[in-house]
Amino acid sequence: AQTVTQSQPEMSVQEAETVTLSCTYDTSESDYYLFWYKQPPSRQMILVIRQEAYKQQNATENRFSVNFQKAAKSFSLKISDSQLGDAAMYFCAYTIKNTDKLIFGTGTRLQVFP
Amino acid sequence: EPEVTQTPSHQVTQMGQEVILRCVPISNHLYFYWYRQILGQKVEFLVSFYNNEISEKSEIFDDQFSVERPDGSNFTLKIRSTKLEDSAMYFCASRQGMGTDTQYFGPGTRLTVL
Repeated sequence: AQTVTQSQPEMSVQEAETVTLSCTYDTSESDYYLFWYKQPPSRQMILVIRQEAYKQQNATENRFSVNFQKAAKSFSLKISDSQLGDAAMYFCAYTIKNTDKLIFGTGTRLQVFP
Repeated sequence: EPEVTQTPSHQVTQMGQEVILRCVPISNHLYFYWYRQILGQKVEFLVSFYNNEISEKSEIFDDQFSVERPDGSNFTLKIRSTKLEDSAMYFCASRQGMGTDTQYFGPGTRLTVL
């Protein structure tokens, strides 16, 4: 079955601190892509970071980085130096190469406190 | 930076009525998608479209749904006879093409069926 599990429905972090959002997925494929999308209250889906499964090096985008463990099928998102604007729903998703659909998790709501 | 746009931002309709949701994908993108998100639930794939035909669809995408690219810029989702359970946020997304895997999402259309 193609599933994505985000076990933390809600997380909170203090401004300037670091927080890690967890994600595990299930696929029998070996070539796929992983994503984290952010959905602020406006509900627009914004790409945060992406990772190709064939790359061992973890992706980073400024304050956002991932810990990709392919054998464990784990893809966590680390947000460093959290800002108030990071408060949003975060969705983990993946797509198998040469297929078309993104499979999403149920999301983690992140609150950032001043 | 190019963006996916969607209109309207909010559509209210009566049960049984037809609705058309509109999207303008990023101009050089070749692959187009519709997803939906029922309030409080995860984002679900509906359909993908490439080269003027559906390439993949989910079990949600039944005969009540259709998609069309009527001209070189618009991509539409039609729901023929809306049901209460069609109330959701509908997201359009587009992807550039071969060798790229990232789907870029529009801001969504909130559909309310009364």
